[in-house]
Amino acid sequence: QQPVQSPQAVILREGEDAVINCSSSKALYSVHWYRQKHGEAPVFLMILLKGGEQKGHEKISASFNEKKQQSSLYLTASQLSYSGTYFCGTPDNNNDMRFGAGTRLTVKP
Amino acid sequence: DAGVIQSPRHEVTEMGQEVTLRCKPISGHNSLFWYRQTMMRGLELLIYFNNNVPIDDSGMPEDRFSAKMPNASFSTLKIQPSEPRDSAVYFCASSTSGFGGYTFGSGTRLTVV
Repeated sequence: QQPVQSPQAVILREGEDAVINCSSSKALYSVHWYRQKHGEAPVFLMILLKGGEQKGHEKISASFNEKKQQSSLYLTASQLSYSGTYFCGTPDNNNDMRFGAGTRLTVKP
Repeated sequence: DAGVIQSPRHEVTEMGQEVTLRCKPISGHNSLFWYRQTMMRGLELLIYFNNNVPIDDSGMPEDRFSAKMPNASFSTLKIQPSEPRDSAVYFCASSTSGFGGYTFGSGTRLTVV
């Protein structure tokens, strides 16, 4: 069963912040985050393995709440290069991953 | 490291024809995944191999689709016969077992006319 992402789309000005949420109806072992630019393949950003763990990549960080079966991706002081579609992925105990529907982020000058 | 290599990059074929997509995973990665991406359905997992063995093929749409991994460095996804609704971008991804991130290939854009 695939995770649910919100919002579906976000439009920002450079320097603004955004939060993308990912939730699951099943217990989560870990959460992955990927970014896909138009016409390209998804690129791995980070993986969160423990409840409450936070990780960072550039000015992008994420949190994972096991109990709530949720993860959030935080984009701080957004740059033009952050534009793309962000996907969360939730592997099951076989390590095969289902992805959310994606959140399209547009950063404007 | 050349990354995950997929071929062809683009494929246009007529309905009813056989299509074979190819993937070379990153050396040392023992998990391989085939995904299909469309606007309507997003990224769908088709099949997952671990150590060359198919673990989960529940996402394969129907019997027209088949996948093989004869060795650790090569996998194929075959569609026969192809139909227009198979048009999509097909991605191959690989990772290490456990909790590694997935590395995606550049994808094959398939158009069935």
